Amino acid sequence: GAGVSQSPRYKVAKRGQDVALRCDPISGHVSLFWYQQALGQGPEFLTYFQNEAQLDKSGLPSDRFFAERPEGSVSTLKIQRTQQEDSAVYLCASSSTVSSPSTDTQYFGPGTRLTVL
Amino acid sequence: DAKTTQPNSMESNEEEPVHLPCNHSTISGTDYIHWYRQLPSQGPEYVIHGLTSNVNNRMASLAIAEDRKSSTLILHRATLRDAAVYYCILRGWGKLQFGAGTQVVVTP
Repeated sequence: GAGVSQSPRYKVAKRGQDVALRCDPISGHVSLFWYQQALGQGPEFLTYFQNEAQLDKSGLPSDRFFAERPEGSVSTLKIQRTQQEDSAVYLCASSSTVSSPSTDTQYFGPGTRLTVL
Repeated sequence: DAKTTQPNSMESNEEEPVHLPCNHSTISGTDYIHWYRQLPSQGPEYVIHGLTSNVNNRMASLAIAEDRKSSTLILHRATLRDAAVYYCILRGWGKLQFGAGTQVVVTP
């Protein structure tokens, strides 16, 4: 079946522009995660949704970052007034269950590469 | 949160086994050990996980030390497709906490 999809795959923004990144999780998946991956580093957690509820946003680096999942399926990560340090790959992952360390497998999308000039 | 330590890189010849070590001396009793890998230009993918006992699946094996302070991911016969960054993660509730991982290079 279809995996996690993300769009756009590549985004170039001028500093100060707002961007919106979309994630389509696997159908029926309850949990959705956003991660940020800088060049040469491992992904870093940004935020977590269980259905439409944003249960953890501790990783969002500033109030310029905002995420939503209004109907419990598609999610959008919005970055306002982009800065050069926002350049990274933004990964979305979903899992079929409420997040659990013993049973949860996260399925990742291919990511959106954001370049801020 | 408990952290993991992995070598930066490892090399292997094709069709030979690869043993990827991971140290996690501060692991708690409820932490599961998960491994993910990330192929070039792709998102990470799940490989295997375990708690105390050794685990096998079609992709790999996971050997966990008796004191749980270390573990080893074993790729039995490396192929060129196994060239990736491998992440050892201690899994509590919610998010995955990735480190820098181990870059595996497979030589034909």
